[in-house]
Amino acid sequence: NAGVTQTPKFRVLKTGQSMTLLCAQDMNHEYMYWYRQDPGMGLRLIHYSVGEGTTAKGEVPDGYNVSRLKKQNFLLGLESAAPSQTSVYFCASILDRRDRVTEAFFGQGTRLTVV
Amino acid sequence: AQSVSQHNHHVILSEAASLELGCNYSYGGTVNLFWYVQYPGQHLQLLLKYFSGDPLVKGIKGFEAEFIKSKFSFNLRKPSVQWSDTAEYFCAVNAIGTYKYIFGTGTRLKVLA
Repeated sequence: NAGVTQTPKFRVLKTGQSMTLLCAQDMNHEYMYWYRQDPGMGLRLIHYSVGEGTTAKGEVPDGYNVSRLKKQNFLLGLESAAPSQTSVYFCASILDRRDRVTEAFFGQGTRLTVV
Repeated sequence: AQSVSQHNHHVILSEAASLELGCNYSYGGTVNLFWYVQYPGQHLQLLLKYFSGDPLVKGIKGFEAEFIKSKFSFNLRKPSVQWSDTAEYFCAVNAIGTYKYIFGTGTRLKVLA
C-alpha cells in the first residue's frame, strides 16, 4: 500500500518551460489537493478536487492548471514556469466520511526550482 | 473565507519544558480542526484532530489540543518535550460544508538536548 505518490521528486525548469506533476493515491479517496510550501508561508492551497472530473481553485491558483481524469490521479500543470513558482509542492489525499473531510495523507513532495 | 493564524513562528525549548503552540482561525460556522507535524525532510503527518464533543483532544506522542470556541482557538500542548519533537507544526481548519482544507503558516520548534 503506497498511499500517496508524487512524481517527480526533484525538477529544475527554465523560465517559460512547462511541466506536469503527478499525484497518485491508492486509497480510493474522493478528495485530492495540491499545496505549495514556502518558507514562512506554510502550505497554501493551489487547487483541489472533490471527485473524478471535478476541480476547484484554492488560495493561489494563478499560473497552475489541474486535471482529475481518473479518481486515483491528480495532475498539476505549469504551462509557463516562472521563478516565483520555485517551491516544494505537496499533494494530499483526504479521507472523507459522510461528505466530511477528515485526515489528509501527504505525498513526499516535489522540489521544483525555476531558473 | 476561512483562515488560520499561528503567531509563534519559531520556538526554542529545552528538553522537559512544556510546550504550547497557538492556533486561531477565522470562520463563523462549524469547523474541523487539525494539527500536523513535519519532521525535517519529511511530509506532514497528522498529530490530532477535533470534530465535535470533548474540546480536549489527545493525539499521538503525548500531544493534546484544546478547542475553545469562544476564542476561535485550537492550541497544541505537550507537558514535556523531547529532542525528537524538533519539527515544524501546522494547524489546519476545514469549514464544514466546504472542501477547503486550509493550513496556518507553521511553527518551527527546536528542542535543545
